[in-house]
Amino acid sequence: QAVVTQEPSLTVSPGGTVTLTCGSSTGAVTSGHYPYWIQQKPGQAPRTLIYDTNNKHSWTPARFSGSLLGGKAALTLSGAQPDDEADYYCFLSYSGARVFGGGTKLTVL
Amino acid sequence: EVQVVESGGGLVKPGGSLRLSCAASGFSFSSAWMNWVRQAPGKGLEWVGRIKSKSDGGITDYAAPVKDRFTISRDDSTNTVYLQMNSLKAEDTAVYYCSNRAVPFWGQGTLVTVSS
Repeated sequence: QAVVTQEPSLTVSPGGTVTLTCGSSTGAVTSGHYPYWIQQKPGQAPRTLIYDTNNKHSWTPARFSGSLLGGKAALTLSGAQPDDEADYYCFLSYSGARVFGGGTKLTVL
Repeated sequence: EVQVVESGGGLVKPGGSLRLSCAASGFSFSSAWMNWVRQAPGKGLEWVGRIKSKSDGGITDYAAPVKDRFTISRDDSTNTVYLQMNSLKAEDTAVYYCSNRAVPFWGQGTLVTVSS
């Protein structure tokens, strides 16, 4: 089974920009992996921020964007706010399976 | 409003069975591919399995840890997807969620505890 890798933790200053990445053990991540980005705050249910690489839900703040970068899926947060402190998971599709990354704990400090 | 509501969790002994339900509303359920995802206490999200729409063959796929023990099914007449869990193990203890790309806010999930 494929392994999906994320940075275990990242820190960003309020108002700053940070990019979270999502790699695959099978090679470059492409749009064919339909990357999702999911946000989860402590004690809360997950929420889907981005699906299919760069599609946002109506609730997704404009400061979040998804892309493919250097063979990985990427979630960029521009203008971080304290409320963005959370765990972020990427989720990739493979033939017959889907796999989550281990998550990135984002601290806004 | 687009939403999913999971139910059916509880305490079960190792080796036991449980059936979870996920009631969906606010989107085109019959054409939706539905996933089950779980989260063990203090751990990350883990994909459990998925069922395609009937028009796409209703094909199911499962993660290796649950293959041959869990079965996903769907009832498009009631917009409900099910997760039948057999031969449960302690390591299946988790909150179970259902999800689909049309649903931005996941349900609260349903807690399954496998313990003697």
